[in-house]
Amino acid sequence: AQSVAQPEDQVNVAEGNPLTVKCTYSVSGNPYLFWYVQYPNRGLQFLLKYITGDNLVKGSYGFEAEFNKSQTSFHLKKPSALVSDSALYFCAVRDGDTDKLIFGTGTRLQVFP
Amino acid sequence: DGGITQSPKYLFRKEGQNVTLSCEQNLNHDAMYWYRQDPGQGLRLIYYSQIVNDFQKGDIAEGYSVSREKKESFPLTVTSAQKNPTAFYLCATTPRLADTDTQYFGPGTRLTVL
Repeated sequence: AQSVAQPEDQVNVAEGNPLTVKCTYSVSGNPYLFWYVQYPNRGLQFLLKYITGDNLVKGSYGFEAEFNKSQTSFHLKKPSALVSDSALYFCAVRDGDTDKLIFGTGTRLQVFP
Repeated sequence: DGGITQSPKYLFRKEGQNVTLSCEQNLNHDAMYWYRQDPGQGLRLIYYSQIVNDFQKGDIAEGYSVSREKKESFPLTVTSAQKNPTAFYLCATTPRLADTDTQYFGPGTRLTVL
């Protein structure tokens, strides 16, 4: 069965420091991977996706993610965190059998001034 | 959130009542989805629809019903059979049900059972 794991419930980082939010996946076939961000009481906003091509994917708001096939990971990164980046981040993978998105449980990012 | 509207933003229901959550889109997208979000559990798929007058059950369809009479609209009814309906409900769309298509989300409806 396809699955995605976000091993950290919360990540804390100081403003200006680099941040990483981890995601690992398990799929049969080619992985189609997504990152979304959610601010309080709002819907999810699309950040970036990996379909094929370069392993480093650039997205919105200065975020990027690195696809690593051997480690089955798709970690979200940003070189310099902002307080406004504080939010809930979801990794998702497309289920190749059903075409449905499978979401991780989310990681809360807290950026301190 | 642009192009997808959900109403109401907050909804309160007494036990035993059915309530209907609205989802409307002006993106001309074919596929529409309903998710339920609970703290610490991520998003779980309730129902989805690829075309008008057709829809499929997701992972947690029990106690819910949907209709897709128009391309723009995909309302979700939470029935009294849903034993624990308090949650945040999210509607999403994609241009078509394709494996590379991004899903776009509405702003959500928070349902609370009193």
